[in-house]
Amino acid sequence: GDSVTQMEGPVTLSEEAFLTINCTYTATGYPSLFWYVQYPGEGLQLLLKATKADDKGSNKGFEATYRKETTSFHLEKGSVQVSDSAVYFCALSIRETSGSRLTFGEGTQLTVNP
Amino acid sequence: DTEVTQTPKHLVMGMTNKKSLKCEQHMGHRAMYWYKQKAKKPPELMFVYSYEKLSINESVPSRFSPECPNSSLLNLHLHALQPEDSALYLCASSLPGQGRNQPQHFGDGTRLSIL
Repeated sequence: GDSVTQMEGPVTLSEEAFLTINCTYTATGYPSLFWYVQYPGEGLQLLLKATKADDKGSNKGFEATYRKETTSFHLEKGSVQVSDSAVYFCALSIRETSGSRLTFGEGTQLTVNP
Repeated sequence: DTEVTQTPKHLVMGMTNKKSLKCEQHMGHRAMYWYKQKAKKPPELMFVYSYEKLSINESVPSRFSPECPNSSLLNLHLHALQPEDSALYLCASSLPGQGRNQPQHFGDGTRLSIL
C-alpha cells in the first residue's frame, strides 16, 4: 500500500538556522504530494504542494521539490523563526473513484529557540 | 483564519450521551472528510463524502454516524462513545474531480473528551 516516511523528531533549532525535514514515499500510482503544518491547538494548514515530478512547492520561505527518481519531497527553509515551531506532516494523495485519500507521515515536531 | 468552521471547539460528554459535531464550509467544495487525531499522531481518515454521498467509510464503529445534509454542511453524530474515542476530530473539504488531486483544507477541530 501507499506510505510516507518522515525523519523522526523532535527537531530543535536555533533561530535563523537552516531546516531540512526529510520525506520519502511509496505509492502504486502517481501521487500528489503535500506538506501540512499544525500549530499547537489548531487544525492542519496546507503549507505547500506539488502535483508532478520536478514541481517545486513554496510558501512562507519553505520549499519542497517533487523528486520522482528518489521518491522524495524534502521540506527546507533557509532561516527558521520561533513562529515556525509546530508539527509538520508530509502527505500524499492519489485519486480514487470513491474519493481522494490522504496518506500522512508520522509528523515531525519542530521547536525553534530564540 | 480557517475557511472550514467546526463547532463546538471543545466537548465533554458521558458515555451515555448523544451529541453532534458540526462542520461548515463555503468554498464550493464538494468533497468533505472526517478525521480522528490522537495526541502526537497523524490524522486517521474516518469518512469521505463526495457530492453529498458517503463514498468512504474506514470501518468506523456505528457509534459514529456521519451526515451530509447539503454541500456546505457535514455532521458527525455521536452516541455511546468509549473513553478511547477521546481525540481531536478534524473536518476537511476539497474540490473533487478537478484533474490532479486538490489539497484538503482543514478546520481547527473539535477536542472531544469522554468521561
